[in-house]
Amino acid sequence: ETGVTQTPRHLVMGMTNKKSLKCEQHLGHNAMYWYKQSAKKPLELMFVYNFKEQTENNSVPSRFSPECPNSSHLFLHLHTLQPEDSALYLCASSQRGTSGGTDTQYFGPGTRLTVL
Amino acid sequence: AQSVTQLGSHVSVSEGALVLLRCNYSSSVPPYLFWYVQYPNQGLQLLLKYTSAATLVKGINGFEAEFKKSETSFHLTKPSAHMSDAAEYFCAVSRSYNTDKLIFGTGTRLQVFP
Repeated sequence: ETGVTQTPRHLVMGMTNKKSLKCEQHLGHNAMYWYKQSAKKPLELMFVYNFKEQTENNSVPSRFSPECPNSSHLFLHLHTLQPEDSALYLCASSQRGTSGGTDTQYFGPGTRLTVL
Repeated sequence: AQSVTQLGSHVSVSEGALVLLRCNYSSSVPPYLFWYVQYPNQGLQLLLKYTSAATLVKGINGFEAEFKKSETSFHLTKPSAHMSDAAEYFCAVSRSYNTDKLIFGTGTRLQVFP
């Protein structure tokens, strides 16, 4: 596998279900991100992890729970979602330098989530 | 605060014609600017980026963009469109010292007709 992979690619869940999205990066990066892409809206940054530590939570509802067990893996745990949470969820990774700045973000193919 | 405006949610061109996708930005600090492309059912792929070096940036697939500070613009061009260029294109801006917080535009869907 190369680049950034995401599983599953498609997910349909009910409002009472619990599911998880998985992201894995094979680029040796140390920063990972979750984005939400809804129709007719700009990409929304949800969470940022640097060296496995969460450094950004962009006012995301608690029904979305991220987990970053190591620099290569990122999960998004979902529970009691609403129909308006249906969207494409994109994962990205980048390399944070010693000066604190980060380089280009590389994106995975996304998980298309439908909440019934 | 930073923001990006992409003029035109849809652009249609004939194969072989010039492609021009517009992006204007707002930033209180020196920006980094990016163009990403998204093909159907795929994630975002970096086309090119401006990081305060040369103002004319060349990217993949024959695309280029010019940073014009006086016009706060970073328009994307390609001299001759190809059918395979049909996709959605996103302009994004970040602070030059921290690209964690990419601010994206709403995207422009490019259609290419034979």
